[in-house]
Amino acid sequence: QKEVEQDPGPLSVPEGAIVSLNCTYSNSAFQYFMWYRQYSRKGPELLMYTYSSGNKEDGRFTAQVDKSSKYISLFIRDSQPSDSATYLCAMSAGSGGSNYKLTFGKGTLLTVNP
Amino acid sequence: EAGVVQSPRYKIIEKKQPVAFWCNPISGHNTLYWYLQNLGQGPELLIRYENEEAVDDSQLPKDRFSAERLKGVDSTLKIQPAELGDSAVYLCASSLGAASTNVLTFGAGSRLTVL
Repeated sequence: QKEVEQDPGPLSVPEGAIVSLNCTYSNSAFQYFMWYRQYSRKGPELLMYTYSSGNKEDGRFTAQVDKSSKYISLFIRDSQPSDSATYLCAMSAGSGGSNYKLTFGKGTLLTVNP
Repeated sequence: EAGVVQSPRYKIIEKKQPVAFWCNPISGHNTLYWYLQNLGQGPELLIRYENEEAVDDSQLPKDRFSAERLKGVDSTLKIQPAELGDSAVYLCASSLGAASTNVLTFGAGSRLTVL
């Protein structure tokens, strides 16, 4: 079993839809949870960053972490064609120091159709 | 600000040939990372530098891969000799310092095709 599992999709939705992207993980030491967005032929860019359990909202994006279920989600409201990209979840056990590194999911390819 | 700059963006070589990738991180970012991204997969860490020191190279296949960051700024990743399975995107990333290892700024990547 991989440490981080993410359904690769692809996921295709109409413009304006609510999108739900999810990851599960097995390492209970993970405390920091991130979502990176990667456009085609570009590098990933940090979209959301949360610590421990709870919700975080930023505009149309909401990140949720449920550590008891080892499950994280990213919700996109009022999705736009410009949201079409691959969404990578990432997580780590700490921040700083040589012992901590990010573990990424495979990424979910999202297409928002106009 | 230019962001993380990588070159070349694309490289096609025959197997057993050498190849090198170059990365210039964001100014002031002391921590530099090289990641490997296979098609349909998430990035996987190859090596991480704190200034000039490689603090995590446990995932770097040292029989054919090498990296350097001589002056604590630019970095070069080399593969010699390349194998068919090395075809992938090589991503460079940087972060502000040792306390910011989760907040990475990635370059656009160098896409390698080995024939």
